Amino acid sequence: GAGVSQSPSNKVTEKGKDVELRCDPISGHTALYWYRQSLGQGLEFLIYFQGNSAPDKSGLPSDRFSAERTGGSVSTLTIQRTQQEDSAVYLCATRGGGTDTQYFGPGTRLTVL
Amino acid sequence: AQSVSQHNHHVILSEAASLELGCNYSYGGTVNLFWYVQYPGQHLQLLLKYFSGDPLVKGIKGFEAEFIKSKFSFNLRKPSVQWSDTAEYFCAVSAGYSSASKIIFGSGTRLSIRP
Repeated sequence: GAGVSQSPSNKVTEKGKDVELRCDPISGHTALYWYRQSLGQGLEFLIYFQGNSAPDKSGLPSDRFSAERTGGSVSTLTIQRTQQEDSAVYLCATRGGGTDTQYFGPGTRLTVL
Repeated sequence: AQSVSQHNHHVILSEAASLELGCNYSYGGTVNLFWYVQYPGQHLQLLLKYFSGDPLVKGIKGFEAEFIKSKFSFNLRKPSVQWSDTAEYFCAVSAGYSSASKIIFGSGTRLSIRP
């Protein structure tokens, strides 16, 4: 595709429910990153996938958060038993194709009521 | 582990003023450094990056940044800002020789330009 796409663009859920956020990378990009952007908090690194290597999960804030990347392409970030403090914009970025540049998606705005 | 500090949370300038946004990183080894910009309602996009070579890096829209290794700094500069530069600016760092490593972002600096 032309760029990184994310779905849904907005998600409103109730506290305690599980949510899945999807990222479709630019074709051929081997590196994929998830970040969380909260108001006034900047971008918080969550997880990083690089090719077939084990992902770097060092930024995941709790065991309620997990992510997978199937076939080295689409990635899903799952948040179980959502809490109000999980409300944020979740950004996906990919890198590859011989470039050092990260390309960001539009993000998913998650609101936990 | 690497970290990034942006000490200016909100900067307000008039058009044609000069700009310098501070960025300091914490990491003892080789680093790669980036500045990203997020215009209102738009995606994050790369302004400029430093991997090696000339420590003065020129980016898009007249921005430049200088890597000063002794100060662990990578400040962003522009000699004369425009109203269209109103945006949020993020400094970022990745560690190591390879470009294939995680990138850590600072908390961002909101820049407001008075017309």
